[in-house]
Amino acid sequence: DAGVTQSPTHLIKTRGQQVTLRCSPKSGHDTVSWYQQALGQGPQFIFQYYEEEERQRGNFPDRFSGHQFPNYSSELNVNALLLGDSALYLCASSLLGLAGGDTQYFGPGTRLTVL
Amino acid sequence: GESVGLHLPTLSVQEGDNSIINCAYSNSASDYFIWYKQESGKGPQFIIDIRSNMDKRQGQRVTVLLNKTVKHLSLQIAATQPGDSAVYFCAERGSGGYQKVTFGTGTKLQVIP
Repeated sequence: DAGVTQSPTHLIKTRGQQVTLRCSPKSGHDTVSWYQQALGQGPQFIFQYYEEEERQRGNFPDRFSGHQFPNYSSELNVNALLLGDSALYLCASSLLGLAGGDTQYFGPGTRLTVL
Repeated sequence: GESVGLHLPTLSVQEGDNSIINCAYSNSASDYFIWYKQESGKGPQFIIDIRSNMDKRQGQRVTVLLNKTVKHLSLQIAATQPGDSAVYFCAERGSGGYQKVTFGTGTKLQVIP
């Protein structure tokens, strides 16, 4: 049973470019959340997708957008990259149940470096 | 791999001793709390969770204690091993159907062989 997978592992971009990160949830999970983790800090919630719609959003600008596909996989897009966008981007998946959802399981992350 | 432990509080423990990692949370409406372990270059790994209607929960070598009165959470690791060295994050989630999880600052645990 595969866990959460993310691609690519590492990515280097320049300021102003756009980037797309991908996530495949753990088998049986239907909800995907994205987090940004700067070096030395805890993950910061970006947004969450369920049934192909954004359900909750953290304090991130509109340059950050996403998508969820019918197979529950997800993409995170960041436009007009800034140096401050350099971080580890984490995807977490879970099963949204009646009790308010199950535990989130994290992928290994994508390390984005903006030069 | 990169370090996730820069500028974080550090707890140094002798191998075989018990470790206690503390966390204060801010949202009194949070009803679910989780401890994650993050090793260098990896994503956070689920350790143990606790709901707000409980004050203690035990797992294998780990115990989580919740004090809602003072909004405090702790993680106890028994017989700490070198493999326990990592950064530990507490996280909280509010009630409701969608799961915005808020992470704490993190504590770096160093196990001394």
